[in-house]
Amino acid sequence: DAGVIQSPRHEVTEMGQEVTLRCKPISGHNSLFWYRQTMMRGLELLIYFNNNVPIDDSGMPEDRFSAKMPNASFSTLKIQPSEPRDSAVYFCASSPSIVSEQFFGPGTRLTVL
Amino acid sequence: AQSVTQLDSQVPVFEEAPVELRCNYSSSVSVYLFWYVQYPNQGLQLLLKYLSGSTLVKGINGFEAEFNKSQTSFHLRKPSVHISDTAEYFCAVTLSGYSTLTFGKGTMLLVSP
Repeated sequence: DAGVIQSPRHEVTEMGQEVTLRCKPISGHNSLFWYRQTMMRGLELLIYFNNNVPIDDSGMPEDRFSAKMPNASFSTLKIQPSEPRDSAVYFCASSPSIVSEQFFGPGTRLTVL
Repeated sequence: AQSVTQLDSQVPVFEEAPVELRCNYSSSVSVYLFWYVQYPNQGLQLLLKYLSGSTLVKGINGFEAEFNKSQTSFHLRKPSVHISDTAEYFCAVTLSGYSTLTFGKGTMLLVSP
């Protein structure tokens, strides 16, 4: 298996632009997680899905952030409009179940100018 | 709710020296425990996990960890580190069968010649 796939790996955009991050989980995994990592705040759980249904989005920082999982093999995290403080590395992870070990993707490094 | 404490934000050691990275958790119920490693510019990778059984768990790259229920600890050890072990290490806990992973803030292991 190719593991969790994220795209793009790097994204540089200007403040106010819409940003869409993409994730393809490992086939057969039922749970998907979105994290954000910064030097200041460390690793933060933003939202997670189980069987394509959002279970807990309490970590989503603002209404500017939204996430979808239209099917078992694809998820997006969207930021609209983006701000410089959104600059971070965003990770997607998947697991066989909510309580199992998680498998992380390589991350998307987002820079908002 | 469970929580994880990694007391050391940074641990500097010399190559071939032994190392212990500390992890304590708080939970009154049964837990599963994990250690992840993050190399520079990469995602998190599972080092080892404790689900049940033997309290001494062996992982990849010569690392091991010991689950101590009375001290609510899950410290990570390696008898002799290499330069290539320089990375950030995260401890994580989940309530057995009931919750998602909660990550500690991470410990940066810096191995020098």
